[in-house]
Amino acid sequence: GENVEQHPSTLSVQEGDSAVIKCTYSDSASNYFPWYKQELGKRPQLIIDIRSNVGEKKDQRIAVTLNKTAKHFSLHITETQPEDSAVYFCAASTGGFKTIFGAGTRLFVKA
Amino acid sequence: NAGVTQTPKFQVLKTGQSMTLQCAQDMNHNSMYWYRQDPGMGLRLIYYSASEGTTDKGEVPNGYNVSRLNKREFSLRLESAAPSQTSVYFCGSERESGELFFGEGSRLTVL
Repeated sequence: GENVEQHPSTLSVQEGDSAVIKCTYSDSASNYFPWYKQELGKRPQLIIDIRSNVGEKKDQRIAVTLNKTAKHFSLHITETQPEDSAVYFCAASTGGFKTIFGAGTRLFVKA
Repeated sequence: NAGVTQTPKFQVLKTGQSMTLQCAQDMNHNSMYWYRQDPGMGLRLIYYSASEGTTDKGEVPNGYNVSRLNKREFSLRLESAAPSQTSVYFCGSERESGELFFGEGSRLTVL
């Protein structure tokens, strides 16, 4: 079955710097790659996603890239702000169900 | 607009006791999920239901049973709770796009 690995587990950046989180997946049939943000004590919520027919997608300060050949995808956050501090999860799924998550990255943005 | 509602929010059980976590969604989604979240391990899929009347095992199904009662409701049952089942449980439902909507979570402690 699908396996998703996520790095790093913890990331600390200075406000205004960029943050990059990387994930790899194992199932070449996976075609949907969402990213979720979970604030402390809250539920995970989708922040951006990408499909296998797209190499890059951007939404304001966040962007996601996908390399299907290498089975890598990454989340990039630019101009980080304290409110970006949270746990971020990558995930992979085939056809939209049985979504498998990475272990999460705890991002700290220092003011 | 309730989205995904799960109950209870908190529960303390003794080893060997049974309980059912209830989940309901009002978004007319076909697919529903149960995940558990443990520190450093992300969200692990317990069971999912791609449509009313079907259920399938996820990554960590042992010790759990599920029922897809109708399109709206998907319950998770622990027949004989064990300390290893202490966790935060999230129910989710899925849009056609693949985006998951989660409930607020149920924090379960097994003594």
